[in-house]
Amino acid sequence: AQSVSQHNHHVILSEAASLELGCNYSYGGTVNLFWYVQYPGQHLQLLLKYFSGDPLVKGIKGFEAEFIKSKFSFNLRKPSVQWSDTAEYFCAVSTKAAGNKLTFGGGTRVLVKP
Amino acid sequence: EPEVTQTPSHQVTQMGQEVILRCVPISNHLYFYWYRQILGQKVEFLVSFYNNEISEKSEIFDDQFSVERPDGSNFTLKIRSTKLEDSAMYFCASSGEQGWANQPQHFGDGTRLSIL
Repeated sequence: AQSVSQHNHHVILSEAASLELGCNYSYGGTVNLFWYVQYPGQHLQLLLKYFSGDPLVKGIKGFEAEFIKSKFSFNLRKPSVQWSDTAEYFCAVSTKAAGNKLTFGGGTRVLVKP
Repeated sequence: EPEVTQTPSHQVTQMGQEVILRCVPISNHLYFYWYRQILGQKVEFLVSFYNNEISEKSEIFDDQFSVERPDGSNFTLKIRSTKLEDSAMYFCASSGEQGWANQPQHFGDGTRLSIL
């Protein structure tokens, strides 16, 4: 069965700082990878997804993620964060063997100080 | 942008009572899901539903749980006899035409279920 781990539970940074959130998964076969964001009081929203092709994926709001198959990683990056990026970020994976269900990481709470 | 809607936003129920959580998926979606998140823990998959039947369920989804699509728009999760450990945020999600093949899931706002 697949699993997902996110290295940081909490990240605090200042506006304009760069952000990188780690995500590793364990599964030997083909995967779909996702980053979701949950702003305070709101639902999970899809930031970006990787299915195939270019391993560098660009999403909404200036976020990008890079799939490194050899490292089983899908780290999320943003070069310059804003206060409005304060949210919880979830990495998730789905595999063909497990149908379309998502397996989530534990989430990373990001606080951007103005 | 179309949204998944869930009602109620917060449900408080006595232990042992039945509870029904309601979801209206995006109208042209065919795959429906329930997930839950116990406070401080990961979001966990409960069940997926397609073509009027359960396509997959987790070990959490025992006989106390059931899902139903009673009409063309609603998708419900019923917990027959609630336990304290059922207290969690429950998320409904839906996805488009092709199941595993490249359709991301869209989530509702969640229902916070509190069992007393």
